[in-house]
Amino acid sequence: DVKVTQSSRYLVKRTGEKVFLECVQDMDHENMFWYRQDPGLGLRLIYFSYDVKMKEKGDIPEGYSVSREKKERFSLILESASTNQTSMYLCASRPGLAGPGESYNEQFFGPGTRLTVL
Amino acid sequence: AQSVSQHNHHVILSEAASLELGCNYSYGGTVNLFWYVQYPGQHLQLLLKYFSGDPLVKGIKGFEAEFIKSKFSFNLRKPSVQWSDTAEYFCAVNGGGADGLTFGKGTHLIIQP
Repeated sequence: DVKVTQSSRYLVKRTGEKVFLECVQDMDHENMFWYRQDPGLGLRLIYFSYDVKMKEKGDIPEGYSVSREKKERFSLILESASTNQTSMYLCASRPGLAGPGESYNEQFFGPGTRLTVL
Repeated sequence: AQSVSQHNHHVILSEAASLELGCNYSYGGTVNLFWYVQYPGQHLQLLLKYFSGDPLVKGIKGFEAEFIKSKFSFNLRKPSVQWSDTAEYFCAVNGGGADGLTFGKGTHLIIQP
């Protein structure tokens, strides 16, 4: 059973602080993702990674960075937190792309971290 | 760029009513389509997915969805809803690459007993 865990369920930080959100998956998945979820906006992709030390910008990367030093761990970093980054952050993982003729694999989500920036 | 449109942001139904949630997407190429559900306080989890073959796909808990390529639609249906179906439902699409999913804004479904 795939398990994606996130380091905190709730986090409160102050404006300007550096914030680390950690995500760990235990199924040896190649791909990992960070989304933020806001009411009325759905989920929006921040960054993703398809391999160790590889990262790609998603739709809303501004104000965020990521780190993937180990295959199982993908960190989201807010260099200087701002109030507009108050949100629910969801991590997801997925196996690497299947070969020709095989199906796309679903993403497995963690429980989320609700971050409040004061 | 891909986009996903969910027509109803809030839906309120009585138990045993039939459900249809609309989803349209904009990507013109080969797509993979998903419906995810988020029950109150729980993880986002997959309801069903389509990537090829029979356009009518069946998922968990009695849900099904129909892919209509000509309409760029992937509507979610359930013939008779239960109180436990109260949740937020998200339609998502992927254009076949290694990048993430593009989600709709979600539909908050409330089932009244």
